[in-house]
Amino acid sequence: EAGVVQSPRYKIIEKKQPVAFWCNPISGHNTLYWYLQNLGQGPELLIRYENEEAVDDSQLPKDRFSAERLKGVDSTLKIQPAELGDSAVYLCASSLVGQGLSNEQFFGPGTRLTVL
Amino acid sequence: QKEVEQNSGPLSVPEGAIASLNCTYSDRVSQSFFWYRQYSGKSPELIMSIYSNGDKEDGRFTAQLNKASQYVSLLIRDSQPSDSATYLCAVKLTGGFKTIFGAGTRLFVKA
Repeated sequence: EAGVVQSPRYKIIEKKQPVAFWCNPISGHNTLYWYLQNLGQGPELLIRYENEEAVDDSQLPKDRFSAERLKGVDSTLKIQPAELGDSAVYLCASSLVGQGLSNEQFFGPGTRLTVL
Repeated sequence: QKEVEQNSGPLSVPEGAIASLNCTYSDRVSQSFFWYRQYSGKSPELIMSIYSNGDKEDGRFTAQLNKASQYVSLLIRDSQPSDSATYLCAVKLTGGFKTIFGAGTRLFVKA
């Protein structure tokens, strides 16, 4: 079974430029998560989708970040414009969520963003 | 108080010893608990999940949960240098499916 796929793996951009990250979850997983991870910290949730619906985006800086999950499968996270403080690893995870299910999350390899 | 707290370490143990990693959480009625291993430059990898009080064993790993004390731990028996990584504790909060991660404990296993 293929795992969570993310691209690109690395991205270097100058501040004020736009950037986009793509994620394809594990087949059959209904829930997709975008996390941000800074060095020495645990992942912090940016947004969670159940199927096509964003059910938790309270931590997403909506002035510059946006996300979509069309057709309830793959997802794109965008930053426009990027700031120096956005340099981090952006992780995508997926899980099969529901009553009686384990709700275990599985992570993709991440995208390491460097903003110069 | 952070929702999920871990000692940042580093925790250093000799090869073959038992490594004990601890985690406390603030949401008294949390039901699901997870341990992830993260190698440097890699993404978190799920190694254990536990939902009931007591111990759960999987190979060299044992997760222990004490909901009354709001405490979950991970024991690694016969530690190997390949176990050297950061171990993240994660707790799924009640009332939804939001999972909070601790900052992780760095483990070094000396050969």
